[in-house]
Amino acid sequence: DAKTTQPPSMDCAEGRAANLPCNHSTISGNEYVYWYRQIHSQGPQYIIHGLKNNETNEMASLIITEDRKSSTLILPHATLRDTAVYYCIVRVPGTTSGTYKYIFGTGTRLKVLA
Amino acid sequence: DTGVSQNPRHKITKRGQNVTFRCDPISEHNRLYWYRQTLGQGPEFLTYFQNEAQLEKSRLLSDRFSAERPKGSFSTLEIQRTEQGDSAMYLCASSLVGQNTEAFFGQGTRLTVV
Repeated sequence: DAKTTQPPSMDCAEGRAANLPCNHSTISGNEYVYWYRQIHSQGPQYIIHGLKNNETNEMASLIITEDRKSSTLILPHATLRDTAVYYCIVRVPGTTSGTYKYIFGTGTRLKVLA
Repeated sequence: DTGVSQNPRHKITKRGQNVTFRCDPISEHNRLYWYRQTLGQGPEFLTYFQNEAQLEKSRLLSDRFSAERPKGSFSTLEIQRTEQGDSAMYLCASSLVGQNTEAFFGQGTRLTVV
């Protein structure tokens, strides 16, 4: 089962920052938080990941609370092409030591409005 | 490198037929994952390889499903005696070994069983 909960949908005005929240209250100390997005009929696209520090790349910023029980993905200037389903994932250990798997929930459907 | 490649992109088959999908991961990626996604749901984990070793299989992977990665490079997913419930998008992802790594997904193979 997914270890994350996200709102099912959000709207954002074009050009504004999109802030997508995620709760992961049962996260363990060495589990990373990942964000992917999926545009209709395409494979999930990697956005960003982090452990406990805030992270930024050319696509987005990831803010993780100090207790690591929640995080926020920030798209600083949303465009119409950012309309997609955004998945927040806690990567969990596999059954074999040193392996991992990504367990997806149902994500947040972000709609960027013109 | 052009990323994770999956073939075919679309497959329509009659119920009871066997189908095989191929995934070519990013070069030098040791880890390879298979996922299944049905309409309106997030991707569900099916199985995971590290090099040629299949290290984990989900209970979703019934005995009609088999996956191989014979030389630790490309992988195949075969479904025998397909059923209408097998209709889904089948996604492949790959990553490097390591804790602080990310997985990259292919565009998927959409299977329709009629």
